[in-house]
Amino acid sequence: DQQVKQNSPSLSVQEGRISILNCDYTNSMFDYFLWYKKYPAEGPTFLISISSIKDKNEDGRFTVFLNKSAKHLSLHIVPSQPGDSAVYFCAAIIKGGSEKLVFGKGTKLTVNP
Amino acid sequence: NAGVTQTPKFQVLKTGQSMTLQCAQDMNHEYMSWYRQDPGMGLRLIHYSVGAGITDQGEVPNGYNVSRSTTEDFPLRLLSAAPSQTSVYFCASRDKGGSNQPQHFGDGTRLSIL
Repeated sequence: DQQVKQNSPSLSVQEGRISILNCDYTNSMFDYFLWYKKYPAEGPTFLISISSIKDKNEDGRFTVFLNKSAKHLSLHIVPSQPGDSAVYFCAAIIKGGSEKLVFGKGTKLTVNP
Repeated sequence: NAGVTQTPKFQVLKTGQSMTLQCAQDMNHEYMSWYRQDPGMGLRLIHYSVGAGITDQGEVPNGYNVSRSTTEDFPLRLLSAAPSQTSVYFCASRDKGGSNQPQHFGDGTRLSIL
């Protein structure tokens, strides 16, 4: 059973607009969440993270929101740029637990000029 | 600073052959992991290591072996390759300081089993 779900395989937005990527999780033991960005033929790179004790974390154009009661998080990119076109993976982990970082299936974002 | 280096980048094997995927990191990270990425499946953890001499199984360990004799290297061995192991394999490492530390990934090994 999938513990981290990204239900939208793809998303297309116009340059300058907001991109919102969503992620749901089922395991209430997860207490730290990360977003990774992946370009073709490259490995994933860390983008932004959030602890379960917070509901928002911001880093430049990227903001992650966490709604613990709904077991939902979202990544907002404002403004979107063509270079943001990539696959975005949501991941979750239990801090202090094993190294078992659990990934979603990813959402392919396309930002059109 | 090379980060995480994976070799080879591409490999084609025949069913039943064995091979080792190499992974090396130069960041003195204690934690290293292997993932596989399949279409529509995201990344799944195969094996991981929390330090030299210590390894453990992830979500999909069957058919793979690992060892960690040094901090820098974490090779992944396929003992008898099967078509189901056709995938893109990523090695990752992270620093100590908590499992919330972000992982650094290599660029992957694309493996095809015929």
